[in-house]
Amino acid sequence: NAGVTQTPKFRILKIGQSMTLQCTQDMNHNYMYWYRQDPGMGLKLIYYSVGAGITDKGEVPNGYNVSRSTTEDFPLRLELAAPSQTSVYFCATASGGNTGELFFGEGSRLTVL
Amino acid sequence: EDQVTQSPEALRLQEGESSSLNCSYTVSGLRGLFWYRQDPGKGPEFLFTLYSAGEEKEKERLKATLTKKESFLHITAPKPEDSATYLCAGSSGYSTLTFGKGTMLLVSP
Repeated sequence: NAGVTQTPKFRILKIGQSMTLQCTQDMNHNYMYWYRQDPGMGLKLIYYSVGAGITDKGEVPNGYNVSRSTTEDFPLRLELAAPSQTSVYFCATASGGNTGELFFGEGSRLTVL
Repeated sequence: EDQVTQSPEALRLQEGESSSLNCSYTVSGLRGLFWYRQDPGKGPEFLFTLYSAGEEKEKERLKATLTKKESFLHITAPKPEDSATYLCAGSSGYSTLTFGKGTMLLVSP
């Protein structure tokens, strides 16, 4: 089992470009999350999903969009990239809503220049 | 607003020198307090869940405890392989976690 797979691992974008960070899981977990991690800061929740077809905003959703058409996939879309979106992005899954035991991918490092 | 504060920001220990990391939290309707370990360039890895004051969990050289306002991660006789950033997080539902900034632990041989 691969667990949680994120692609790409690294990406450089120019200001104003758009891109999609991919996240796929083979754990059959209903709950999926996108966090961003900036140096010296805690992980911040961007969006989450409690199942296919259901998404909700986290703490820092501005500038991002998500969709959840299948259990396995939870892509994060960046529209009109800005330098403030330079960060490491982590996708995570959980088997339920009360476990708090999240399984993280290895991260996608994004730089916007 | 939910808040999780960890201290110290960084801690350097000699191998075998025991210590504790602190996590204080203000999370409305706390449904759990969680500890994670994060190695450089990797995603966080789950360590412990604590649900109620007085609860303790242990794993090898690590022991996590919880009071009504804070949690401690005690490290007994650490080894260099325990070097990592330790993250504390609280949840008020849907497993959406509010993370602290972490404590970077370095254990020297």
